[in-house]
Amino acid sequence: SQKIEQNSEALNIQEGKTATLTCNYTNYSPAYLQWYRQDPGRGPVFLLLIRENEKEKRKERLKVTFDTTLKQSLFHITASQPADSATYLCALGSDYKLSFGAGTTVTVRA
Amino acid sequence: DTAVSQTPKYLVTQMGNDKSIKCEQNLGHDTMYWYKQDSKKFLKIMFSYNNKELIINETVPNRFSPKSPDKAHLNLHINSLELGDSAVYFCASSQDPAGVGTDTQYFGPGTRLTVL
Repeated sequence: SQKIEQNSEALNIQEGKTATLTCNYTNYSPAYLQWYRQDPGRGPVFLLLIRENEKEKRKERLKVTFDTTLKQSLFHITASQPADSATYLCALGSDYKLSFGAGTTVTVRA
Repeated sequence: DTAVSQTPKYLVTQMGNDKSIKCEQNLGHDTMYWYKQDSKKFLKIMFSYNNKELIINETVPNRFSPKSPDKAHLNLHINSLELGDSAVYFCASSQDPAGVGTDTQYFGPGTRLTVL
């Protein structure tokens, strides 16, 4: 069966450090993978999209990698700030829909 | 200014009632979606519509009936509400002219439905 797993439910890090989140999938062949941020009581907000033929994508302090052999994406937040505290969701596009992981909640301590 | 809006934001109702949630997008997008996010925070697609045509119906009970009067609106009507319907329902839209369903999506603020 198809599965999307995000490494841990919660990640606590010190301000200024790099947060690394993992998204692993099985039985999908996504053309691309997306990352969203969700704050409590709000809808998800799109952050980054990476295609299957791209190894790495960056946007400001965010970096995403995509390894279709390992069936894994890594999401990095560098120089983390308390304002980065949120839940981060990975989403795979296939079969006419996006399928989301359960998310990893990141808390950045000042 | 709001891109994707939903009403109401909160909905508290008794079991067995019928209720509707409305969604509107002003982004000029061709595809709209309904998602359900349960207490475990899993976000799961229910329906997608492309230019008013149903693309995905993700084995949702037929008590749930989406209606798209035009491509800027996708409403969700729920009959005979059950306790298990309690969740946050999100509407979303994407440019996606072909309705492939995998484009970047823009989400509304959500409607928290509580069935007593």
